[in-house]
Amino acid sequence: DTEVTQTPKHLVMGMTNKKSLKCEQHMGHRAMYWYKQKAKKPPELMFVYSYEKLSINESVPSRFSPECPNSSLLNLHLHALQPEDSALYLCASSQDRGGSIQYFGAGTRLSVL
Amino acid sequence: AQSVSQHNHHVILSEAASLELGCNYSYGGTVNLFWYVQYPGQHLQLLLKYFSGDPLVKGIKGFEAEFIKSKFSFNLRKPSVQWSDTAEYFCAVNAVGSGGGADGLTFGKGTHLIIQP
Repeated sequence: DTEVTQTPKHLVMGMTNKKSLKCEQHMGHRAMYWYKQKAKKPPELMFVYSYEKLSINESVPSRFSPECPNSSLLNLHLHALQPEDSALYLCASSQDRGGSIQYFGAGTRLSVL
Repeated sequence: AQSVSQHNHHVILSEAASLELGCNYSYGGTVNLFWYVQYPGQHLQLLLKYFSGDPLVKGIKGFEAEFIKSKFSFNLRKPSVQWSDTAEYFCAVNAVGSGGGADGLTFGKGTHLIIQP
């Protein structure tokens, strides 16, 4: 099973709302990732978690707050987002070593009004 | 930091034509190389990867790629495309660091491939 599950599939939120995106994998991977993909653009790395600890933060604004409560789950908490944050948010997981294959979820399509 | 350049942003081919998509990367050290495909409405899937060894790698669905270190290139090829190959193709790299830990991928801008029946 190489499945990474993301919920919800679609999310519409206002600029004052607080919402969370969820990602789950049961492949025993100890590295998990958040990427942001705007329309007709490639995915851009946001965060990397390794053994439930944040190891890479690509200078993402603080209105995005990641959390890794256990080795299977990765959350992205959203607060006070801007319309330009509307995008497809992708989660991925891999073995915790450089060069491992990253397996991607289907993403959450977020619209900020 | 590494960067990836894909030369063709839109490619239109007829079925049974041969395909080659260019990918060049920029990085001073050792990299791992990937091609991912995104079919319409589906998630990113790995087509093939290069870590080390034989520079000619074979992937799923008849795709192959060749790593040419001197040219910093990792071009994707398929001898005969099918209508079902219509998709977005992304070349990606990550650096092999001294720490050996997990690292994010840097993607090229993608190539939108359309296969006409």
